Amino acid sequence: EVQLVESGGGLARPGESRTLFCAASGFSFSNFWMHWVRQVPGKGLEWVARVSTQGGNLVYADSVRGRFTISRDNANNMVLLDMTSLRAEDTATYYCVSEPTGRGYNYMEVWGKGTTVTVSS
Amino acid sequence: IVLTQSPGTLSLSPGERATLSCRASQSVSSRDFVWYQQKPGQAPRLLIYGAYIRATGISDKFSGSGSGTDFTLTISRLAPEDSAVYYCQHYSSSPPNTFGQGTKVEIK
Repeated sequence: EVQLVESGGGLARPGESRTLFCAASGFSFSNFWMHWVRQVPGKGLEWVARVSTQGGNLVYADSVRGRFTISRDNANNMVLLDMTSLRAEDTATYYCVSEPTGRGYNYMEVWGKGTTVTVSS
Repeated sequence: IVLTQSPGTLSLSPGERATLSCRASQSVSSRDFVWYQQKPGQAPRLLIYGAYIRATGISDKFSGSGSGTDFTLTISRLAPEDSAVYYCQHYSSSPPNTFGQGTKVEIK
């Protein structure tokens, strides 16, 4: 079964750092680009960051560029999101999402259940 | 690119057909146009990619169409389990990956 399981969420103070983890299983992880997408409670979806199959191509939303770093560990089928200088507006549920490559179409295929980050003093 | 979904909320009876619209602020490739479904308390789920191709395991009651700036998701034979928020997305290889603001489908 294809599965993405996020962890690392919790309460953080403004200005603090936190790392989110995504454990992947059930598919050929190193053949997929991986994303983080977040959602403020009751609001819409906001794409956050993407990492290419080997980790060399990283792209970020303007709202997190310079503060967040996405990375991956293909040996352990993991995706990480290092979040620094956290702000109240970073409060959201963070989803880990897989994107298949080589299919001729671009889309986010499998979504994890999400992990919630709350930034509050 | 800005994606505008309409209506904001759609309230229909079981068995009816729902028509959801997503309009892009500029022409986009159909290959990069996607629809997702998000039920209450759940993560989003891929429904349609390439504007009209159903994802694996998705019922044929869901169909996508459109090109250029105007795209449509049609849900036929509405059932209570179709109650959800539906998001359109233009996937871009360079940021940002834009999502629409969502259309909430309510079953009376």
